Amino acid sequence: AQSVTQPDIHITVSEGASLELRCNYSYGATPYLFWYVQSPGQGLQLLLKYFSGDTLVQGIKGFEAEFKRSQSSFNLRKPSVHWSDAAEYFCAVGARVTGGGNKLTFGTGTQLKVEL
Amino acid sequence: DARVTQTPRHKVTEMGQEVTMRCQPILGHNTVFWYRQTMMQGLELLAYFRNRAPLDDSGMPKDRFSAEMPDATLATLKIQPSEPRDSAVYFCASGLVLGSPEQYFGPGTRLTVT
Repeated sequence: AQSVTQPDIHITVSEGASLELRCNYSYGATPYLFWYVQSPGQGLQLLLKYFSGDTLVQGIKGFEAEFKRSQSSFNLRKPSVHWSDAAEYFCAVGARVTGGGNKLTFGTGTQLKVEL
Repeated sequence: DARVTQTPRHKVTEMGQEVTMRCQPILGHNTVFWYRQTMMQGLELLAYFRNRAPLDDSGMPKDRFSAEMPDATLATLKIQPSEPRDSAVYFCASGLVLGSPEQYFGPGTRLTVT
């Protein structure tokens, strides 16, 4: 079965600083990988996704992530963080299921705090 | 723009009462998922449907929870009877069987059982 590890529960960065959120996955085949963001009281919003091809993927809000098969990682990055990026970030791995569709397994999330 | 809608957004009820949460998936999406989010357990998959048929509800407590899709535009999650430990945020998400595998989430229903 697939699994996702987000080793950092909380991260604090200064506004304007760079950001990297870590994600490691376990899956037997080529995974579908996702990053979602959740602001307080809101649902999860898709930031970016990786299925195949270029291992560096661009997402919304200036985020990017790099798939590294050798390290089973899919880390999220942003060159310059804005105060509005403060939220909880979830990494997820997707797997095709019998009968069609995909089942997502989420990490435990990383809470990002941005200091002004 | 297309989005998943959920009602109600907030629900406070007493233990033992029935609770029904509703979800309208994005038009054209043919998979629907129910998740529960708590501080202790994080995001848990409760059930999912493909073309309105339940594929897996192994994440749900069967004795009190039930999930249905009466039609392609409505999914329901029912708890009867509710218990304080059911207090959580319940999310619905929708996606496609074929093609791009991401799921799109609704805003959630925050349930408090007293």
